[in-house]
Amino acid sequence: GQNIDQPTEMTATEGAIVQINCTYQTSGFNGLFWYQQHAGEAPTFLSYNVLDGLEEKGRFSSFLSRSKGYSYLLLKELQMKDSASYLCAAMDSNYQLIWGAGTKLIIKP
Amino acid sequence: IAGITQAPTSQILAAGRRMTLRCTQDMRHNAMYWYRQDLGLGLRLIHYSNTAGTTGKGEVPDGYSVSRANTDDFPLTLASAVPSQTSVYFCASSEVNTGELFFGEGSRLTVL
Repeated sequence: GQNIDQPTEMTATEGAIVQINCTYQTSGFNGLFWYQQHAGEAPTFLSYNVLDGLEEKGRFSSFLSRSKGYSYLLLKELQMKDSASYLCAAMDSNYQLIWGAGTKLIIKP
Repeated sequence: IAGITQAPTSQILAAGRRMTLRCTQDMRHNAMYWYRQDLGLGLRLIHYSNTAGTTGKGEVPDGYSVSRANTDDFPLTLASAVPSQTSVYFCASSEVNTGELFFGEGSRLTVL
């Protein structure tokens, strides 16, 4: 079956770095996506990886290892506004997104 | 209109009633989606459409129907609502076969 696993909740300190891991099993693979969702709001697109390696976009970076079925989202210089849920999603061979349940990130001062 | 608009934002509904959630986009995306989001379960795809005139079933289609008469509109209908359909519903759009989805603000539906 197809599956995405990510931690349910993580806590980090303002100004620090946090890494949110995601493992996936899909029928075929057409990319790995990260979304941010603040409480009570809609998800918004953060990043996309289809090749192995690190993609950097400001304070956020996303890494992919296709051989390991593994990705992580790295958030640097954490700010209070980064408190949100982070959703990992993998696209299968039919171009359907398989979603994880999300990781709730709590930032403490 | 900018992006995707959903209506209503929130609704309380008696079980057995019919309900249509509306979704309109102005980005001319060919693909549109309806998801439900429940605590601890993440986003689950209800129905999708890759172009006007065609629709497909997602992971949890039972009890729901959709239509795609044109590019911009993608309404979701609950023919006879049941309490298990209490959820937050998100409409989204994208270019076909891409994973960068643009979401509406969501419709919170409570079925009593």
